[in-house]
Amino acid sequence: GDSVTQTEGQVALSEEDFLTIHCNYSASGYPALFWYVQYPGEGPQFLFRASRDKEKGSSRGFEATYNKETTSFHLQKASVQESDSAVYYCALGSANTGANTGKLTFGHGTILRVHP
Amino acid sequence: GGIITQTPKFLIGQEGQKLTLKCQQNFNHDTMYWYRQDSGKGLRLIYYSITENDLQKGDLSEGYDASREKKSSFSLTVTSAQKNEMAVFLCASSIWLGGRQNTLYFGAGTRLSVL
Repeated sequence: GDSVTQTEGQVALSEEDFLTIHCNYSASGYPALFWYVQYPGEGPQFLFRASRDKEKGSSRGFEATYNKETTSFHLQKASVQESDSAVYYCALGSANTGANTGKLTFGHGTILRVHP
Repeated sequence: GGIITQTPKFLIGQEGQKLTLKCQQNFNHDTMYWYRQDSGKGLRLIYYSITENDLQKGDLSEGYDASREKKSSFSLTVTSAQKNEMAVFLCASSIWLGGRQNTLYFGAGTRLSVL
């Protein structure tokens, strides 16, 4: 079945550092890929998505590029702030539209802590 | 804009107890979902519903029941709470796009603890 792997369980950075959170997926066809962010005490919030090879998604300074060849959708931000501290989830929506209902498969999440 | 409201925010139960979690959305979305969130395991799908009175099992449906009597509401029942169980249950909704992947909007969650 479809799966998403986030390599880092936790990332600790200082403000203005460069961020990369690695996301690799396993699925047939061209699934849609998503990043969600979850702040303490809240539900996950949609950050952005990409649906085609080489498409870049972006929001709030975060970006990721759909790479079909490496089956990846790595999250990056050039200069993180303390307010970016949160849990980040990579997710995919199945490309199998026969029985698909729009449900998403999530990775295990990456805890980002940014120190001032 | 819209909002998803989950009640209660915190739920403490006893082992073997039947517990019900409720979710309301005012987006007028067709599809609703229940996910379970455990530390280090991400989000796992329990049940989803494409429309009123529809129910579909997710990967983690054993031990749960669900009900979608109205378009705006979706409830989840833990049929027999397990001792020392701790998890967050997240409700979400989305527009139905005929099978295409779409964006999910989440509530703040119900935090369950079983004594």
